[in-house]
Amino acid sequence: AQKITQTQPGMFVQEKEAVTLDCTYDTSDQSYGLFWYKQPSSGEMIFLIYQGSYDEQNATEGRYSLNFQKARKSANLVISASQLGDSAMYFCAMRDPRDSGGSNYKLTFGKGTLLTVNP
Amino acid sequence: SQTIHQWPATLVQPVGSPLSLECTVEGTSNPNLYWYRQAAGRGLQLLFYSVGIGQISSEVPQNLSASRPQDRQFILSSKKLLLSDSGFYLCAWGQGNEQYFGPGTRLTVT
Repeated sequence: AQKITQTQPGMFVQEKEAVTLDCTYDTSDQSYGLFWYKQPSSGEMIFLIYQGSYDEQNATEGRYSLNFQKARKSANLVISASQLGDSAMYFCAMRDPRDSGGSNYKLTFGKGTLLTVNP
Repeated sequence: SQTIHQWPATLVQPVGSPLSLECTVEGTSNPNLYWYRQAAGRGLQLLFYSVGIGQISSEVPQNLSASRPQDRQFILSSKKLLLSDSGFYLCAWGQGNEQYFGPGTRLTVT
């Protein structure tokens, strides 16, 4: 069974500083995918970044980067130059490789980290 | 570009009443479609997914059901709501490595 662990229920960061949100995962599969989503107070889930288990380079998307350490089974999200609009819940998720036939991907989510950016 | 719609945005229903939540996707064909539920302060739990019209897979036993009458339409239903059905329901469509979520429906069962 898969498991996603986000150990930080809440994080605070000063505007313009960088912040790292932790995510560890547990799987015996070799092929998997890791995702980060942002959920502002409005409730929508916004896709941020994806990392494949075979990707050699850490994924980056603008101010977001994923610090992928495969041996440690960690996939931490780094947000550089935090902005007030970054305040939200952040979820780490893993794609279930057992259902990767075709293009169907089921995601297992962690419990999330509430990030607050202070001015 | 692709967009995903959900309605209603909020819903308050008494225990024992029926439920119908609708999700539609525009700008893509034959998408994989998903229903998730998020309880207060929790992560998302996958309820149903569909890889094509009429094809529904259930992830957890419950009093909810799902249907996909058209390629880009996904419906979540219940004949009799329970208090435990309260939560935030999110529909998502998938393509490649990514899943994109709709705006969600906040359901309160009273």
